[in-house]
Amino acid sequence: AQSVTQLDSQVPVFEEAPVELRCNYSSSVSVYLFWYVQYPNQGLQLLLKYLSGSTLVKGINGFEAEFNKSQTSFHLRKPSVHISDTAEYFCAVSDNGNTPLVFGKGTRLSVIA
Amino acid sequence: EAGVAQSPRYKIIEKRQSVAFWCNPISGHATLYWYQQILGQGPKLLIQFQNNGVVDDSQLPKDRFSAERLKGVDSTLKIQPAKLEDSAVYLCASSLSGGYYGYTFGSGTRLTVV
Repeated sequence: AQSVTQLDSQVPVFEEAPVELRCNYSSSVSVYLFWYVQYPNQGLQLLLKYLSGSTLVKGINGFEAEFNKSQTSFHLRKPSVHISDTAEYFCAVSDNGNTPLVFGKGTRLSVIA
Repeated sequence: EAGVAQSPRYKIIEKRQSVAFWCNPISGHATLYWYQQILGQGPKLLIQFQNNGVVDDSQLPKDRFSAERLKGVDSTLKIQPAKLEDSAVYLCASSLSGGYYGYTFGSGTRLTVV
């Protein structure tokens, strides 16, 4: 069965600094990987996804993630964060899109002015 | 395109009462999901529908939870009777077909059981 581990429950970072949110997954087959963002009192919004091909994936709002099969990781990065990036970020995995998304517990990103 | 609509946004009930949540997915999306998100945790799948058939309900507590998707469009999730530990946000999501396109989530219903 798939599982997702988000290694940091909270990440505080100063505005305009770079950030990395870590995600590791376990699965016995090829995977689809996703990052979602959740703002307070809202649903989840898709940031980016990896299905196949290039291991560096670019998403919305300046975020990108790199798929590393040997490390079973899919870390999310942004070179310069803004106050508006303060939110909860969730990593999720699906077996080739054939199984429902399994989510990690989330990482709360707090951007400090 | 219109997003996934959910109602109500908030609900407070006493334990042992019943409650129902409604979801209207994006038009044309064959697959519909209900997730439960307890405070401080990631969403957990309760049930997946493909059109009006159940694909996966292995994590649905069937002694108290039920869900239906009539005519392959709208869906209703019911809890009867509610327990304190059911306090959570209930998220509905839909997709064209499986995970390839990602899911579109509604804003959720926040349930508080007192």
